[in-house]
Amino acid sequence: AQTVTQSQPEMSVQEAETVTLSCTYDTSENNYYLFWYKQPPSRQMILVIRQEAYKQQNATENRFSVNFQKAAKSFSLKISDSQLGDTAMYFCAFKGAGKSTFGDGTTLTVKP
Amino acid sequence: EAQVTQNPRYLITVTGKKLTVTCSQNMNHEYMSWYRQDPGLGLRQIYYSMNVEVTDKGDVPEGYKVSRKEKRNFPLILESPSPNQTSLYFCASSSPGVYNSPLHFGNGTRLTVT
Repeated sequence: AQTVTQSQPEMSVQEAETVTLSCTYDTSENNYYLFWYKQPPSRQMILVIRQEAYKQQNATENRFSVNFQKAAKSFSLKISDSQLGDTAMYFCAFKGAGKSTFGDGTTLTVKP
Repeated sequence: EAQVTQNPRYLITVTGKKLTVTCSQNMNHEYMSWYRQDPGLGLRQIYYSMNVEVTDKGDVPEGYKVSRKEKRNFPLILESPSPNQTSLYFCASSSPGVYNSPLHFGNGTRLTVT
């Protein structure tokens, strides 16, 4: 069974600065995907970014990028130029053969 | 509009009274799944379905039932709810090619069992 660990329950960052959210995972599978989801106070779950395990190139979506270290089983999310609307809970997720496993989440607060 | 629809959004019930939370998607997704979200525990998978008439247990299936008689619908059934099933529930679906597609989530159902 796979596990996903987010070691930072809460983080804060000043508006316009950069913040990195950590995620590590453990699996014996070779074929999988990794995702970051955002859950704002509205409680909707919104996809932020995805990474294919067989690709070495780190995924980027506008201000969001990942640092994927497959050997270390690490998948951190970097948010550049943080905005007030980035305030949310962020979940790291592993998706393998059928099952999806989520971390416990990191609550990010962007301060003006 | 492509979406996953869960109903109801809020539900308060009493211990032992059977209930069903409905989930429907209009994206022709084969994969559907149910999660519960509790403070400090993230999202935990209850059941998932790879296709019609194919369902499997997730990490926390006890006390829940599901069925997948049609591709679009995946209801979650609590035969005899208990207070420890008070939680926020999400239904999700994804497209064929399970690995590379993200989950599309419903808006959640806040369940309180007294």
